[in-house]
Amino acid sequence: DTGVSQNPRHKITKRGQNVTFRCDPISEHNRLYWYRQTLGQGPEFLTYFQNEAQLEKSRLLSDRFSAERPKGSFSTLEIQRTEQGDSAMYLCASSLLDRVNEKLFFGSGTQLSVL
Amino acid sequence: KQEVTQIPAALSVPEGENLVLNCSFTDSAIYNLQWFRQDPGKGLTSLLLIQSSQREQTSGRLNASLDKSSGRSTLYIAASQPGDSATYLCAVGIYGNNRLAFGKGNQVVVIP
Repeated sequence: DTGVSQNPRHKITKRGQNVTFRCDPISEHNRLYWYRQTLGQGPEFLTYFQNEAQLEKSRLLSDRFSAERPKGSFSTLEIQRTEQGDSAMYLCASSLLDRVNEKLFFGSGTQLSVL
Repeated sequence: KQEVTQIPAALSVPEGENLVLNCSFTDSAIYNLQWFRQDPGKGLTSLLLIQSSQREQTSGRLNASLDKSSGRSTLYIAASQPGDSATYLCAVGIYGNNRLAFGKGNQVVVIP
């Protein structure tokens, strides 16, 4: 069990550029989540995958955001035409158990700074 | 919309004192409640999970209680240590979807 891995750890980009983050969940976990966290706030839900299917998206996930999980393994989160308001920590989490007993395992996050 | 509130936002205690962290939520229709720990610049580590049908969970020096009807949970950390310094986040699993609603956290400093 190597844990949830996220890359890169830090990303600095200029406004208007596109960025892509990667998440590698714990290998046997079929559920994968993306959350976003700004300073002093709790994480906010972005989207959820069960295997390769994206089953739920938050209204926070505007048209500029897209997430994929090909083959139900790793996941990518892409932000197009970044804005300064996108600056945040992007957290990925995975789990295996059913909803009631579910413990989420979080990665260390990708810190995005948009200049 | 589920609102989760954590009080106090920040606190400092001398080493050895017991910590009591409070979490309240507005909608009692929850799957479960979890307490997480977050160190600066890092991800979250799950500490305790309480199912909606349970009243409390314990792990070592940590004990978490849940009163679903009143929308409250308390995390109790016995005999605090400097290594307990971190932000503690409460999150509830919401019926009807797959998301967790988080509070803003309790930032704890344990003074040696």
